[in-house]
Amino acid sequence: AQSVTQLDSQVPVFEEAPVELRCNYSSSVSVYLFWYVQYPNQGLQLLLKYLSGSTLVESINGFEAEFNKSQTSFHLRKPSVHISDTAEYFCAVSEYNFNKFYFGSGTKLNVKP
Amino acid sequence: ETGVTQTPRHLVMGMTNKKSLKCEQHLGHNAMYWYKQSAKKPLELMFVYNFKEQTENNSVPSRFSPECPNSSHLFLHLHTLQPEDSALYLCASSQEYSKVTYEQYFGPGTRLTVT
Repeated sequence: AQSVTQLDSQVPVFEEAPVELRCNYSSSVSVYLFWYVQYPNQGLQLLLKYLSGSTLVESINGFEAEFNKSQTSFHLRKPSVHISDTAEYFCAVSEYNFNKFYFGSGTKLNVKP
Repeated sequence: ETGVTQTPRHLVMGMTNKKSLKCEQHLGHNAMYWYKQSAKKPLELMFVYNFKEQTENNSVPSRFSPECPNSSHLFLHLHTLQPEDSALYLCASSQEYSKVTYEQYFGPGTRLTVT
């Protein structure tokens, strides 16, 4: 089975500062990678995903993540955060051909004014 | 209603009670999922239904009993729960349980407290 590690449980950051949320996974087979975001009192929403092709993927609200196979990482970055980015972010890994996800324990991003 | 809805949003029950959680998806999907979200732990996949058939049961205790009467509805029947079962229970759906390119859509969850 896969395991997903999000080393930082909480990340405080000031508005307009850059941020990186780290995600590492264990895998001996090919996988797909995802970041989900959970706003307060809501379910999870897909932020971005890597399936194949370019290792750098972007979301519509300015986040990006880069797949690094040699380091088995999929870190999430944003060059300038907004208050509205305050949420919990989950990294997830899925094996080929099945819609079964392995989630990390989440990172709470707290953007301060 | 759009997306994935869950009722109730909050539930408090004693260890001897029987209750049910309901999930409904309005997206025309064929796969539905139950997840357990506990504080500071990864989301745990509990059950998967694909075209109304249960395809995954991740060693979930029998005090949790899922039911999927049709592709739009998913229930989680609860009985004789333990305090450690207190958590946020999330329902999700996707077009099909066969290709990972199908995004999972999540409901807002039911916050369950077992006293």
